[in-house]
Amino acid sequence: GEKVEQHESTLSVREGDSAVINCTYTDTASSYFPWYKQEAGKSLHFVIDIRSNVDRKQSQRLIVLLDKKAKRFSLHITATQPEDSAIYFCAASMNTGYQNFYFGKGTSLTVIP
Amino acid sequence: EAAVTQSPRNKVAVTGGKVTLSCNQTNNHNNMYWYRQDTGHGLRLIHYSYGAGSTEKGDIPDGYKASRPSQENFSLILELATPSQTSVYFCASGDALGGQNTLYFGAGTRLSVL
Repeated sequence: GEKVEQHESTLSVREGDSAVINCTYTDTASSYFPWYKQEAGKSLHFVIDIRSNVDRKQSQRLIVLLDKKAKRFSLHITATQPEDSAIYFCAASMNTGYQNFYFGKGTSLTVIP
Repeated sequence: EAAVTQSPRNKVAVTGGKVTLSCNQTNNHNNMYWYRQDTGHGLRLIHYSYGAGSTEKGDIPDGYKASRPSQENFSLILELATPSQTSVYFCASGDALGGQNTLYFGAGTRLSVL
């Protein structure tokens, strides 16, 4: 089955700098790649996604890049703020009528004021 | 806003006891999932369902059963709880219909098996 590798387990950046979290996947059939955020002691919520028909998507300060050849996708958080501190999970799915999502292990991001 | 409610929020169980974790969603989503979250492992899929009456094994189903009696409800059952099942459990619902792929997660259940 699909395996999603999330390369950074922890990441610290200074407020205002950019943070980049990288993920790779194994199954070429995967075509939908969401990102979820988990703040301390809370549940996960969706932040941004990208589908395989595009290679870049931006939502405010969040940018997702997808490199299908390398089977790699990344989350870029620009102009980081302390409230960006959280665990971020990448995931991959085949985007069919029934979906199974495969998650990475999570990256704990700390934004230092 | 989509709503997924889990109960209980915290549970302490004894080894060998039976534990039932409940999940209710008001989103009318077809798909529901049970994950556990452990440090160093991230989120791992235990069981999932794509409609009332259906349950499927995920990546780590051993020691767990699931039940989907209705569109809204999806339970995770530990018939004989073991300390290795101490974890945080998340239920989620989602649907790929109409291009909506977002998973909505419940608040989680913290289970300790002593």
